Amino acid sequence: KQEVTQIPAALSVPEGENLVLNCSFTDSAIYNLQWFRQDPGKGLTSLLLIQSSQREQTSGRLNASLDKSSGRSTLYIAASQPGDSATYLCAVTGDYKLSFGAGTTVTVRA
Amino acid sequence: EAGVVQSPRYKIIEKKQPVAFWCNPISGHNTLYWYLQNLGQGPELLIRYENEEAVDDSQLPKDRFSAERLKGVDSTLKIQPAELGDSAVYLCASSLGTHTGELFFGEGSRLTVL
Repeated sequence: KQEVTQIPAALSVPEGENLVLNCSFTDSAIYNLQWFRQDPGKGLTSLLLIQSSQREQTSGRLNASLDKSSGRSTLYIAASQPGDSATYLCAVTGDYKLSFGAGTTVTVRA
Repeated sequence: EAGVVQSPRYKIIEKKQPVAFWCNPISGHNTLYWYLQNLGQGPELLIRYENEEAVDDSQLPKDRFSAERLKGVDSTLKIQPAELGDSAVYLCASSLGTHTGELFFGEGSRLTVL
């Protein structure tokens, strides 16, 4: 069974600092990995999708890397802003199932 | 383009009452998912549809939960009777395909069972 872990569970940084969020998974036989953002009381918003054949994806201030062999993905958010405060979840697709981590809750202090 | 639409956003019921949630996926998305999310946890899959066929319902508590996706578009998730432990957020998502498609979520339906 795929296990997805996100450490730390919570993170607080001052505005302007770069954010580094980690995601690890136990089974490297995945089709893709997706990063989501969730605001309190809201659904999940897709940020980046990395196919298993890719090493990274970029969108604006966001960059996500994927190392399938070591079972790791990292989401980088450059020059953080208070509006980046949210919970960030990663999810991997493998064996017809999408498995989620519990998320990292980020607070960006103004 | 409209996103995934869910209703109701909030529902408060007493235990043993029935409740139903509705989901309209993004147009053209063949794959539809229902997830359950408890506070502080990631979503957990309840059921996955490919068009109108439920291809993965192994995590659906079938004694009280049921779902349908008529005509392969809209879907309804029902709980009858509801229990206190069913209080959670029920999320609907859709994608073009299971393996490569990006997943898009609705706002969720928050259920409180008293």
